[in-house]
Amino acid sequence: AQKVTQAQTEISVVEKEDVTLDCVYETRDTTYYLFWYKQPPSGELVFLIRRNSFDEQNEISGRYSWNFQKSTSSFNFTITASQVVDSAVYFCALGLSGTASKLTFGTGTRLQVTL
Amino acid sequence: GAVVSQHPSWVICKSGTSVKIECRSLDFQATTMFWYRQFPKQSLMLMATSNEGSKATYEQGVEKDKFLINHASLTLSTLTVTSAHPEDSSFYICSAATYGTRTEQFFGPGTRLTVL
Repeated sequence: AQKVTQAQTEISVVEKEDVTLDCVYETRDTTYYLFWYKQPPSGELVFLIRRNSFDEQNEISGRYSWNFQKSTSSFNFTITASQVVDSAVYFCALGLSGTASKLTFGTGTRLQVTL
Repeated sequence: GAVVSQHPSWVICKSGTSVKIECRSLDFQATTMFWYRQFPKQSLMLMATSNEGSKATYEQGVEKDKFLINHASLTLSTLTVTSAHPEDSSFYICSAATYGTRTEQFFGPGTRLTVL
């Protein structure tokens, strides 16, 4: 069975601080996909990134970066120079059957960025 | 990206009534649609997978007679909560998957159900 753990329930930072959201996953499959989604108060999920298990390259997109390490089964997400608009709940998710498979979500990390 | 809509965006109903939620893929054909449920301050939990033209596959613990899913076309799936009770109050989110040259899934905006 697969599992996604986001140990940080809630994080509070001051604007411009860097923050890292942790994600640890469990699966016996060798092929899988990892995702990060942002859920603002409106509730709609915003897709941030997708990674397949064969691509361990780290990725940077603006202030966002992701560190995928198969050795530790982790897919951590860092926001650099956080902004108030980054306040949301962030979910890490795991899919087994391809990029359009059903997802197992972590419990989410609520990020609060204050002035 | 592709667009998935849900209707209604929110609904309030009385206990014992049935509520239908629609999930539509607006600009692509979705062979598969997933229905998730999210209780307040909790994670998304998959309820069922629906494939066009066939019966939905429900996750363990989800009552198929209570949560009726119909995926009659490649652009529409419906979730009907039958005889709704206050404990069914939740945020229901669908996602639609497209396969082929571009295999992706896209989430709808969600439907907030409140049962009084």
